[in-house]
Parts: sequence; C-alpha cells; structure tokens
Amino acid sequence: KQEVTQIPAALSVPEGENLVLNCSFTDSAIYNLQWFRQDPGKGLTSLLLIQSSQREQTSGRLNASLDKSSGRSTLYIAASQPGDSATYLCAVANGQNFVFGPGTRLSVLP
Amino acid sequence: NAGVMQNPRHLVRRRGQEARLRCSPMKGHSHVYWYRQLPEEGLKFMVYLQKENIIDESGMPKERFSAEFPKEGPSILRIQQVVRGDSAAYFCASSMTGQVNIQYFGAGTRLSVL
Repeated sequence: KQEVTQIPAALSVPEGENLVLNCSFTDSAIYNLQWFRQDPGKGLTSLLLIQSSQREQTSGRLNASLDKSSGRSTLYIAASQPGDSATYLCAVANGQNFVFGPGTRLSVLP
Repeated sequence: NAGVMQNPRHLVRRRGQEARLRCSPMKGHSHVYWYRQLPEEGLKFMVYLQKENIIDESGMPKERFSAEFPKEGPSILRIQQVVRGDSAAYFCASSMTGQVNIQYFGAGTRLSVL
C-alpha cells in the first residue's frame, strides 16, 4: 500500500527566502508525481507534474525534482512571497488514482 | 474551456438526510475521481468512474455512499442518512484518459452535517 509523507508539516519564513518542501513515498512503482497548492477553503491548483521518467520540472520560481529509486521528491520555491502562503500537497499517481500526502502549511511573512 | 465544475459549493444537511454532490468534468474528459478531505486530514481517494462504469471504489465506505456517472449528465456522489462524521470537503477530479496523467480538480463541495 502506497504511503506518502511530507516534511515539514508547517513552515514559516520571512519574505525573500528560498525554501524546500519534502515528499516521500514508499512504493517507487509510480506513474507520476504532482505538486498542488491549496488555499484555505479552496480547491487544488496543480503546480507541477513530473512523469516517472523525468527527474525534474520547472515553472517560474518553482522547481520540483523526483528520485524514484529513493522514493523522494522536493519542491523548491525561490524568492518566496507572501502570496505563496498556502498548503502544498504532494500526490503520487499509483494505479488509477492519486495518493496524497498530508501537506506542508507554508506561511511567508512580509 | 470550463474547468471541473462542482455544485453546490456548500451543502448543509441535518443528520439522517441525504446529500447529493454533483461534478461535471472538463469537456472531453470521460474519467472522474472523487476524493474526500476530512478536517485537518489529507485527501483520500474514494472512487473512480468512467462513463456508466465504476472502475475502482476501494476508497468508498461500505454503507450509505454511492456514486454514478451516467451517459448523460454529471457524476453524482450520494450520501444517504448523513452523520456528523461525513462533514468534509469532497473534491472531484477529471482526466482525459484512464491512465493517471493529469487530473484536474474542481473547487470542491463542503458538506456540513448538523
């Protein structure tokens, strides 16, 4: 059974800092891994999708890496801004659906 | 091209009533997934449907919960005789193909059971 964990559970940083969010999964037989952002009371916004054959994906200030063999992914956020404050979810495509991690709650202080 | 549409956005029910949650997938998508997010918990897979078929319902509670995706119209998640523990956010996602590639999520329905 696939299990996904995320570290840290919560993170508070001053504006402008670079930061790394971590995601670990137990079963390396995945199709892909996706990072989402969830704002309070809102739905999920897809940030980056990494296929199982890829090592990383970049979008603007975001960079996600994938190491299938070790069961890890990291989301790197450069030059953080208060608007980045949200919960970040890692989800692993396992079979027919996604298995989600519990999320990292990020606060970027002005 | 409208995204995944869920309605209602908020639903209030008293214990014992029925809740019906609707999800219209993105245009061209014939695969629908339902997830539940309990307060202070992560999203959990419930059920995966393709038009008129349930493909995987391994995450569905055994009683009171059912889902359908008819040939015409939206997918429906139905909860009978709701209890307080059913209070959660229910998210729907859709994809174009059966292999999990990119799932697009709706804004969710927040169910509150009084």
